[in-house]
Amino acid sequence: DAKTTQPNSMESNEEEPVHLPCNHSTISGTDYIHWYRQLPSQGPEYVIHGLTSNVNNRMASLAIAEDRKSSTLILHRATLRDAAVYYCILRGSNNAGNMLTFGGGTRLMVKP
Amino acid sequence: DTGVSQDPRHKITKRGQNVTFRCDPISEHNRLYWYRQTLGQGPEFLTYFQNEAQLEKSRLLSDRFSAERPKGSFSTLEIQRTEQGDSAMYLCASSLAWQGGTEAFFGQGTRLTVV
Repeated sequence: DAKTTQPNSMESNEEEPVHLPCNHSTISGTDYIHWYRQLPSQGPEYVIHGLTSNVNNRMASLAIAEDRKSSTLILHRATLRDAAVYYCILRGSNNAGNMLTFGGGTRLMVKP
Repeated sequence: DTGVSQDPRHKITKRGQNVTFRCDPISEHNRLYWYRQTLGQGPEFLTYFQNEAQLEKSRLLSDRFSAERPKGSFSTLEIQRTEQGDSAMYLCASSLAWQGGTEAFFGQGTRLTVV
């Protein structure tokens, strides 16, 4: 499976936008870019996914570079409840089970 | 449907004992995955089912581990002769089979402590 690279941790102030980067230089044409987050003592939670175009949903926005070798998860106004580990994952059809392969993720800390 | 549920949420067992965990996926989901997560690490894939068929097992799944999904509904993960290294959070996830960008839904996990 193609790998992703994320910063280990990031800090943000409450009510400010947060841009979480992810590099995936070996992405294949059929890989979807997924983002999940994991709050303390909970299972991972789906945030957003995309293939080529930028995506928006109620939780976040996903900006995908034109060459698809990087992407950015955007939280428009961080709240204390957004403090979590954010995982950027490639999920593709060359993986028969389509299981999610997690890396270390980015630990987001939100300051009041 | 309230999502993926796992039982128990916490389990403390003595080394050498057997333990069994249960996962109830979202009812219409035909894929079910088991993951293990140790402190400070991301979840690691263990095995997955499509309906009742177990289609892949990670090398992490030693012969002390066995998973079943009878009738393609709930699943159980059993660990025999537990060791202290088995202490971890065991996560279950379910999804529809791949249809391009399908999301997976995770349960809250079962935290196992082997003493």
